[in-house]
Amino acid sequence: GAVVSQHPSRVICKSGTSVKIECRSLDFQATTMFWYRQFPKKSLMLMATSNEGSKATYEQGVEKDKFLINHASLTLSTLTVTSAHPEDSSFYICSARDSGGLETQYFGPGTRLLVL
Amino acid sequence: GENVEQHPSTLSVQEGDSAVIKCTYSDSASNYFPWYKQELGKRPQLIIDIRSNVGEKKDQRIAVTLNKTAKHFSLHITETQPEDSAVYFCAATGTASKLTFGTGTRLQVTL
Repeated sequence: GAVVSQHPSRVICKSGTSVKIECRSLDFQATTMFWYRQFPKKSLMLMATSNEGSKATYEQGVEKDKFLINHASLTLSTLTVTSAHPEDSSFYICSARDSGGLETQYFGPGTRLLVL
Repeated sequence: GENVEQHPSTLSVQEGDSAVIKCTYSDSASNYFPWYKQELGKRPQLIIDIRSNVGEKKDQRIAVTLNKTAKHFSLHITETQPEDSAVYFCAATGTASKLTFGTGTRLQVTL
């Protein structure tokens, strides 16, 4: 149980294009999902908290118009990197918290984004 | 907000020895402390967690201790094996129910 999927696993795009990443909780409902960014050999940095049916909460320094988050159902959250630039290249990981459970977060496999 | 410090950043032990990783946190309201193991290019995997009403928890070769007064918690791995080699992250959940991660410890278990 407690499986989180993420798609795509890897994406290469040209500068200026937008990229959408999907995060799904496969066997549980997740009122809250989280989006993290991880640079090589670094820790996970929380970008935003995705709340089903309401606006996402962004961490300080994260541009909400740059990183669009939609949490339309209890099992799906999407992150869209708009007008991507090379500095947006990173490993993006989502996590989901079981609505019926405690604080435990289950992580997706991550999406490696490379912007050329 | 919450601030989590983690030490050491790298740790090399011989197979069979024990490994200890230590973390401190700043928000006294934090009440949930998970530990994650991350292999290169993979997702973080929850290996053990502890809540603030418990001082110690053990799961086979892995144990975690929590000292709320000192705002300090530690991961102990006994009888280490090569497959324990990975990056380990501690984390703490503060008042906003968000996880704040430590900076990570790269554990290398040598034969």
